[in-house]
Amino acid sequence: EAQVTQNPRYLITVTGKKLTVTCSQNMNHEYMSWYRQDPGLGLRQIYYSMNVEVTDKGDVPEGYKVSRKEKRNFPLILESPSPNQTSLYFCASSRQGPRGGYTFGSGTRLTVV
Amino acid sequence: DQQVKQNSPSLSVQEGRISILNCDYTNSMFDYFLWYKKYPAEGPTFLISISSIKDKNEDGRFTVFLNKSAKHLSLHIVPSQPGDSAVYFCAASYQTGANNLFFGTGTRLTVIP
Repeated sequence: EAQVTQNPRYLITVTGKKLTVTCSQNMNHEYMSWYRQDPGLGLRQIYYSMNVEVTDKGDVPEGYKVSRKEKRNFPLILESPSPNQTSLYFCASSRQGPRGGYTFGSGTRLTVV
Repeated sequence: DQQVKQNSPSLSVQEGRISILNCDYTNSMFDYFLWYKKYPAEGPTFLISISSIKDKNEDGRFTVFLNKSAKHLSLHIVPSQPGDSAVYFCAASYQTGANNLFFGTGTRLTVIP
């Protein structure tokens, strides 16, 4: 089944403790992206990657890092999480870029206390 | 500032009737628009899209209308079914920023059997 898999689904952590949210897709898509969803703000892009070793900032990149060492994986790294990063996170992939329509993962709900 | 706005947080419709979900945008550079549907505990699913060179695009029960002069688009679902109950997001992109989508805040559609 074609899918984007995120882990974990839920995470509660403390301020400053480094964490990684994994994302993997099995569709051989070149384009991958991370979004966060917050009440009243919709989904906002954090980072995107157009191919292996090619990444760039989205609208809200502060406090996040990403890497794209393999085509299928695009982890999101929070080096020092803060409470304002409490959010619902979605990883997405697309063959043609966002205009071609994303396939989204099921989301990761992160709480930073 | 929210460039894509969905001013109705919720909508209830009787099964079999038409559902009309609305979306307004402020950036005249947007030239491509998409609709996504989201069920609880799942990621958004791509539904339908439209380029600004068209004013209508149809796919089965779903039709998207674009009014460029009013900077307004709408999604029509006919006939509505209980399985259509979900949150609907509209999204927009512009050619020079084609690596990002700008999402609205979503409208929760409830189809009453």
